[in-house]
Amino acid sequence: QVQLVQSGAEVKKPGASVKVSCKASGYTFTDYYFYMHWVRQAPGQGLEWMGWINPNSGGIHYAQKFQGRVTMTRDTSISTAYMELNRLTSDDTAMYYCATGNRYATNVGWGQGTLVTVSS
Amino acid sequence: QSALTQPASVSGSPGQSITMSCTGTSSDVGGHNYVSWYQQHPGKAPKIMIYDVSNRPSGVSNRFSGSKSGNTASLTISGLQAEDEADYYCSSYTSFSTLVFGGGTKLTVL
Repeated sequence: QVQLVQSGAEVKKPGASVKVSCKASGYTFTDYYFYMHWVRQAPGQGLEWMGWINPNSGGIHYAQKFQGRVTMTRDTSISTAYMELNRLTSDDTAMYYCATGNRYATNVGWGQGTLVTVSS
Repeated sequence: QSALTQPASVSGSPGQSITMSCTGTSSDVGGHNYVSWYQQHPGKAPKIMIYDVSNRPSGVSNRFSGSKSGNTASLTISGLQAEDEADYYCSSYTSFSTLVFGGGTKLTVL
């Protein structure tokens, strides 16, 4: 079945960058149907969509809030997607999830989450 | 893009049915049949329960059903069980090619 395995927890200082990985298995990573979305959840808060990447074409679409600060990439040779967030502040402390589906929904599967803590 | 509006909490007794709402605009919920619902237990990743307004992924109980009218989508859980107690989030595709989530509803099984 579809499985998304994310990299481990990170602790970063304000102003630094973080790069989270998400390794996919159980489906064809580059099938045209599948998009990889990134969603974050601050402690005790709701879900916030950050953007998606189409592993087949490399096409990307970011939420306006993160434009200029987020970069989503993929390595098709190892079926892995990446999300890098720059210029971190304490407001970026959150659980970051990758989730796959089509471009309209994360309707196939979610990773286990990666906790990113930003603290001086 | 503002978050979709969900009630903060709903509750019901075992065996009862409950319905929770998710209100957006004509640019998201009302304009596209791409509303999804997710269940999240504490400390766990969200799990898809409904997609494309009313479709259930394989393995999801048929006690869960979704619908939409205008700019408001709804999730109904029938035959409420203790294991249904969780946070529920809706999401919608938008006219800006983005996704937007609701603020979440905490379901308490009394």
